[in-house]
Amino acid sequence: DGGITQSPKYLFRKEGQNVTLSCEQNLNHDAMYWYRQDPGQGLRLIYYSQIVNDFQKGDIAEGYSVSREKKESFPLTVTSAQKNPTAFYLCASSKRGRTGYTFGSGTRLTVV
Amino acid sequence: AQSVTQLDSQVPVFEEAPVELRCNYSSSVSVYLFWYVQYPNQGLQLLLKYLSGSTLVKGINGFEAEFNKSQTSFHLRKPSVHISDTAEYFCAVTPSWGAQKLVFGQGTRLTINP
Repeated sequence: DGGITQSPKYLFRKEGQNVTLSCEQNLNHDAMYWYRQDPGQGLRLIYYSQIVNDFQKGDIAEGYSVSREKKESFPLTVTSAQKNPTAFYLCASSKRGRTGYTFGSGTRLTVV
Repeated sequence: AQSVTQLDSQVPVFEEAPVELRCNYSSSVSVYLFWYVQYPNQGLQLLLKYLSGSTLVKGINGFEAEFNKSQTSFHLRKPSVHISDTAEYFCAVTPSWGAQKLVFGQGTRLTINP
């Protein structure tokens, strides 16, 4: 079945370390997105990519980086510059047009 | 730019009672609207969407929503809820042109009591 796979489901990081969250889709969707979810704040857009080798900053891009070398993959790196990285991270993808998103099951990152 | 306000952060309801989750939006351009549901520690699942046509939209699990352009609202309703509807619900908008980029509300936690 087609879908979006995020890994790992839980991730622990020491302060000062970079960490990369994986997001892979086999839906043949063109666009991919990363959101951060914090309690009571809804979802906030970190980065998005509409085509391979191109991506744009969202509302809270500081301290994060992405790449889009393949259509299927959109990894997110949380760098040591991100001041408060503990959160639930959601990856999504969409077809062209206004079809809405398909979401992955999320990665919960905790800084220890 | 767009913004979404979900008017209730928590809504407790008894089983088999009706429920309405309220969503207002703000935008200087025309928008499309969505409702998503999130169960604990999972991603979001699309409940329904309004793109055009009839302002009453039916979705999965017996939910429906009504688009009201004059009041800039897109409230979600269900005539009779079940314990399994306990979840967090998110309203979202995207401009009707340009890049599809959803802006989400803060979420409403729906708790169904037996």
